[in-house]
Amino acid sequence: GAVVSQHPSWVICKSGTSVKIECRSLDFQATTMFWYRQFPKQSLMLMATSNEGSKATYEQGVEKDKFLINHASLTLSTLTVTSAHPEDSSFYICSARPYRGTVSEKLFFGSGTQLSVL
Amino acid sequence: AQSVTQLDSHVSVSEGTPVLLRCNYSSSYSPSLFWYVQHPNKGLQLLLKYTSAATLVKGINGFEAEFKKSETSFHLTKPSAHMSDAAEYFCVVSDLSRGSTLGRLYFGRGTQLTVWP
Repeated sequence: GAVVSQHPSWVICKSGTSVKIECRSLDFQATTMFWYRQFPKQSLMLMATSNEGSKATYEQGVEKDKFLINHASLTLSTLTVTSAHPEDSSFYICSARPYRGTVSEKLFFGSGTQLSVL
Repeated sequence: AQSVTQLDSHVSVSEGTPVLLRCNYSSSYSPSLFWYVQHPNKGLQLLLKYTSAATLVKGINGFEAEFKKSETSFHLTKPSAHMSDAAEYFCVVSDLSRGSTLGRLYFGRGTQLTVWP
């Protein structure tokens, strides 16, 4: 089946630094990728929708200047948490939708990145 | 607006007994509904999905879910739990069916399933 690789799986950083998370579709092209954030004991919350070659669409309440999303190719989207603070500590998951010429709901998920900001 | 409510944050069952994970949804249109499972340290995996075909949907690993429009429910069931079923389960609604091309997913809070030997 289709594989989505998310890296790193776990990262600890100091407050004020930036962290980049990569989401790669390994055996398919993904025109659309989604970034989610999961708080402990809570649901995944959609942060933004990333389309290859265009600006990401952010959900209401998500700071686009803080969570920079780049989808420069059909197999790679990156999420950069800029000037991270402890409240940004969370579990981030990406998902990718294969391009088959039509819109498809089938999504494939990365294994997530646990971010801890000290 | 789309939303889902998972009625139980935690469900515990004995191995071999039935599993019921409850989900109610809210949707302005005919929804597409999904159940995803997340095992520890792994990504989300699609269990099954409903997209306005048969109301009883069969998924992987013996799970199934029934779409009941009158009750706005999409409960997940399995006749006999296995130890490997222990995981967190998410009920999800999609807005793709209302003509949106985004296909965004809206997640419930999740239900942690514990299976006792």
